[in-house]
Amino acid sequence: EDKVVQSPLSLVVHEGDTVTLNCSYEVTNFRSLLWYKQEKKAPTFLFMLTSSGIEKKSGRLSSILDKKELFSILNITATQTGDSAVYLCAVDGLGNFNKFYFGSGTKLNVKP
Amino acid sequence: DGGITQSPKYLFRKEGQNVTLSCEQNLNHDAMYWYRQDPGQGLRLIYYSHIVNDFQKGDIAEGYSVSREKKESFPLTVTSAQKNPTAFYLCASSIVGGAGQPQHFGDGTRLSIL
Repeated sequence: EDKVVQSPLSLVVHEGDTVTLNCSYEVTNFRSLLWYKQEKKAPTFLFMLTSSGIEKKSGRLSSILDKKELFSILNITATQTGDSAVYLCAVDGLGNFNKFYFGSGTKLNVKP
Repeated sequence: DGGITQSPKYLFRKEGQNVTLSCEQNLNHDAMYWYRQDPGQGLRLIYYSHIVNDFQKGDIAEGYSVSREKKESFPLTVTSAQKNPTAFYLCASSIVGGAGQPQHFGDGTRLSIL
């Protein structure tokens, strides 16, 4: 059975801390792994990873994929209260078509 | 501005009633999806469609129905057979094929039982 598992389920940190969110997967016909940030409503796209070992970076956020060990991490440095959200990991895994498997998310709370 | 529009934002359903959630996109995407999100949980796939007049069941299709008569539109009907419909419903779209493409999401519809 295809699945995506995220850890931890929730996390409380203080501003300025660095956090690492984990995503492991077992999905046949892997095509890509995506990270999204969800605040109140629609998830917003952060990164898409297709190749192992290549770090994607955007400001204080970065992510990397390990296709041998089947996991990805999302790092956030110097966290701010605006980083508080649910972070979702999804894997695109159905051959020529895009069927996405989502993890349950990590709820990050950054306190002042 | 291109995007996905879901309506209504909030919806209340009475016992035995069917309700329809609207999803319209102007991104010219071939693929469209419906997800259900329960509190503290990730997204679970209800139905998806990669082309007009064709759609497939996702992981939790029971009690739901869809249609795809136009490329831009993918309405979801929550039928009376769905006994626990209270949830947040998200519609998404994406380009089909290639090396994987990110999905774009609407702002969601929150459905509650009266």
